[in-house]
Amino acid sequence: GAGVSQSPRYKVAKRGQDVALRCDPISGHVSLFWYQQALGQGPEFLTYFQNEAQLDKSGLPSDRFFAERPEGSVSTLKIQRTQQEDSAVYLCASSDPPRKGHYEQYFGPGTRLTVT
Amino acid sequence: GESVGLHLPTLSVQEGDNSIINCAYSNSASDYFIWYKQESGKGPQFIIDIRSNMDKRQGQRVTVLLNKTVKHLSLQIAATQPGDSAVYFCAETPRGTGNQFYFGTGTSLTVIP
Repeated sequence: GAGVSQSPRYKVAKRGQDVALRCDPISGHVSLFWYQQALGQGPEFLTYFQNEAQLDKSGLPSDRFFAERPEGSVSTLKIQRTQQEDSAVYLCASSDPPRKGHYEQYFGPGTRLTVT
Repeated sequence: GESVGLHLPTLSVQEGDNSIINCAYSNSASDYFIWYKQESGKGPQFIIDIRSNMDKRQGQRVTVLLNKTVKHLSLQIAATQPGDSAVYFCAETPRGTGNQFYFGTGTSLTVIP
């Protein structure tokens, strides 16, 4: 079946521009996560949705970052007034509720954002 | 944030040999751990998980060992194949809720044919 998809796969933005990154989770998955992965580093948690509710946004690095999931399926991560330090791969993951204590997140391929 | 680190940033093994990738974590309250594999240009892929009430769990060609005393986690890959070449991450969920996963820096595994 279809996995998590993200678009665009690559995005180049000039410093100060706004960008919007899209995530299509696996159909029916309740939970959706956004991560930021800098080059050579592990993913870092940004935010988490359960259906349309954003339950945790503690990882968003500044108020320039905003995420939404208005209908509980597709999610958009928006970055306003991009800065060079925002350059990274942005990963989206979705998951079912845990089964027998096992949490398996399915990741998309990511969007590579380069801010020039 | 939480500190989840890996001992070795790179590892090269001969095809057919066994691989061992290590990970240290700092939060003694962590109760759930996952190993992920990430190939170039792709998102992380779940390999195997383990709860803190276990010290060993086996999958297909992979074994995860957990030593809570020294807060150490390892991933063993048996009969390593070229397709195993990737970056491997350990991740933890401190509260066991599945809401946040803290990832380590990663170990790059290269399998030499």
